Amino acid sequence: DAGVTQSPTHLIKTRGQQVTLRCSPISGHKSVSWYQQVLGQGPQFIFQYYEKEERGRGNFPDRFSARQFPNYSSELNVNALLLGDSALYLCASSFVGGTYEQYFGPGTRLTVT
Amino acid sequence: RKEVEQDPGPFNVPEGATVAFNCTYSNSASQSFFWYRQDCRKEPKLLMSVYSSGNEDGRFTAQLNRASQYISLLIRDSKLSDSATYLCVVNRGSGNTGKLIFGQGTTLQVKP
Repeated sequence: DAGVTQSPTHLIKTRGQQVTLRCSPISGHKSVSWYQQVLGQGPQFIFQYYEKEERGRGNFPDRFSARQFPNYSSELNVNALLLGDSALYLCASSFVGGTYEQYFGPGTRLTVT
Repeated sequence: RKEVEQDPGPFNVPEGATVAFNCTYSNSASQSFFWYRQDCRKEPKLLMSVYSSGNEDGRFTAQLNRASQYISLLIRDSKLSDSATYLCVVNRGSGNTGKLIFGQGTTLQVKP
């Protein structure tokens, strides 16, 4: 079975631009979460979606938004990019939300110059 | 104070050694607990869930003490391939809401 997939794998943007990251969950998983990981730190929770509804949001500015599609895939959008947005963006899927185990995709490495 | 705290290490141990990692969490509403392993520039991979009764998977043993809000991971007979960063994770989710809170990770280097 395929794991969580993310695209693109790497991305370079300039300050002020907008970016869209994509994630496809493990087949049968209905919940998708997004995390940001900067170098030397553990991942930080950004959003969780279940059944196309936002179920949780972390301490990120409104420049960050996401959505989930009927096939349970998801997109993360970041507007007005800042240098500090440079990070590894990880998507995780789980069967449902709640306390179920989450499985991570390989991530998208975003560099903002 | 961070919600999940770990000693960042690094822990440098010889092959065959036993090594223990500790983690504390501050939110008593945390519902479930995990250890993830992360290799350099890769995604975190679930190592094991952690239960109050303690659980073992081969050379790995995890313990949870809810009263003390303390989680541990013991690795016996360390292998070179165990070299990685180990992330202590709590889930503050409930119902259909899941929110993983990560510690900053503990780096393990196993040397020949």
